Amino acid sequence: SQTIHQWPATLVQPVGSPLSLECTVEGTSNPNLYWYRQAAGRGLQLLFYSVGIGQISSEVPQNLSASRPQDRQFILSSKKLLLSDSGFYLCACRTGVSYEQYFGPGTRLTVT
Amino acid sequence: LAKTTQPISMDSYEGQEVNITCSHNNIATNDYITWYQQFPSQGPRFIIQGYKTKVTNEVASLFIPADRKSSTLSLPRVSLSDTAVYYCLLPNQGGKLIFGQGTELSVKP
Repeated sequence: SQTIHQWPATLVQPVGSPLSLECTVEGTSNPNLYWYRQAAGRGLQLLFYSVGIGQISSEVPQNLSASRPQDRQFILSSKKLLLSDSGFYLCACRTGVSYEQYFGPGTRLTVT
Repeated sequence: LAKTTQPISMDSYEGQEVNITCSHNNIATNDYITWYQQFPSQGPRFIIQGYKTKVTNEVASLFIPADRKSSTLSLPRVSLSDTAVYYCLLPNQGGKLIFGQGTELSVKP
């Protein structure tokens, strides 16, 4: 089955600094890839999804961007972080026709 | 756009069966119903998926009535480790999964 790697596990960044979070997937090819953010409390917000290399769909307009330079690599970036960007960032992948998504361990981002 | 409604929280005791019901009145003909479980500081984990009637796996059962306007996740004999948030989802356009607030299940000794 798929394994998703995310790093770093935790990150503290000042307001206005750049951001780069990386997600890599093992054990599958041609996956659909997703970035979610979970703010304090419950509920995951879908930020971006990708069905292939270079194909990115944005769900919520904001100061974040995503890129997929390789089939199993998904990167979340920002040029200037805002306080509201704090949260738990999760990468997920899905293959095949099932709606089973596999999630990575997540990155806890605190913007100060 | 199909939307799901589920209780915000539920309490139970160890050894009991827990049933979490999700309402999805506007479910589309081709929609599958999917349930996920999330522990604190972890990503959600797939539990079960179904289209109609009943689906059972080693973790849970999913009951879906004929009109498919609701579904019930059944957890047999819960333990403390089943304390988590449970999400009911319908796939969105393009197969995207949109997570709502979920149901926070608290299992007490």
